[in-house]
Amino acid sequence: AQSVAQPEDQVNVAEGNPLTVKCTYSVSGNPYLFWYVQYPNRGLQFLLKYITGDNLVKGSYGFEAEFNKSQTSFHLKKPSALVSDSALYFCAVRDFLLFGTDKLIFGTGTRLQVFP
Amino acid sequence: DAMVIQNPRYQVTQFGKPVTLSCSQTLNHNVMYWYQQKSSQAPKLLFHYYDKDFNNEADTPDNFQSRRPNTSFCFLDIRSPGLGDAAMYLCATSRGSGSGTDTQYFGPGTRLTVL
Repeated sequence: AQSVAQPEDQVNVAEGNPLTVKCTYSVSGNPYLFWYVQYPNRGLQFLLKYITGDNLVKGSYGFEAEFNKSQTSFHLKKPSALVSDSALYFCAVRDFLLFGTDKLIFGTGTRLQVFP
Repeated sequence: DAMVIQNPRYQVTQFGKPVTLSCSQTLNHNVMYWYQQKSSQAPKLLFHYYDKDFNNEADTPDNFQSRRPNTSFCFLDIRSPGLGDAAMYLCATSRGSGSGTDTQYFGPGTRLTVL
């Protein structure tokens, strides 16, 4: 069964410092991996995805993620954190269902707190 | 421009009183999903539609039903809400191309309170 793990419930970082939010995966077959962000009382916003190709994936709002097959990881990164990046971050892996459809299996989420 | 719209954003209902949540999309996507998210937990898929084909997750309670009258709209019906059904309900859509590369786009969610 497909799964992802986010080992940290919360990550604290000072504004201007680099940030990393960790995600590891366990899949059968090729991994299709996603990062979403959720602000309070809002839906999930898509940040980026890895399907195939370059291991470094660039996404929205200056975020990027590094796919590492040997370590089965897909960590989210940003070179310089902003206070406005404070939110709940979810890593997800695709699980295929019927033709043309699939579902996302989400990690438990990591709360990012960026301090001024 | 809003692409996945959910109404209402906040819904309060009484224990056992049926409630309907709605979702609409302007993306013309084939697939629509309903997720339940409790108190900062991971979203959990309840069911999804590929066009008019309904697909229920095995562990979705019978208390939850869904309708998709056309491509743009999808409804979540909770027949007899219990206190444990209080949650954020998220609607999402995807193209359903079959390529495996589709992104799911989420609406803002409806927060349901059960009194």
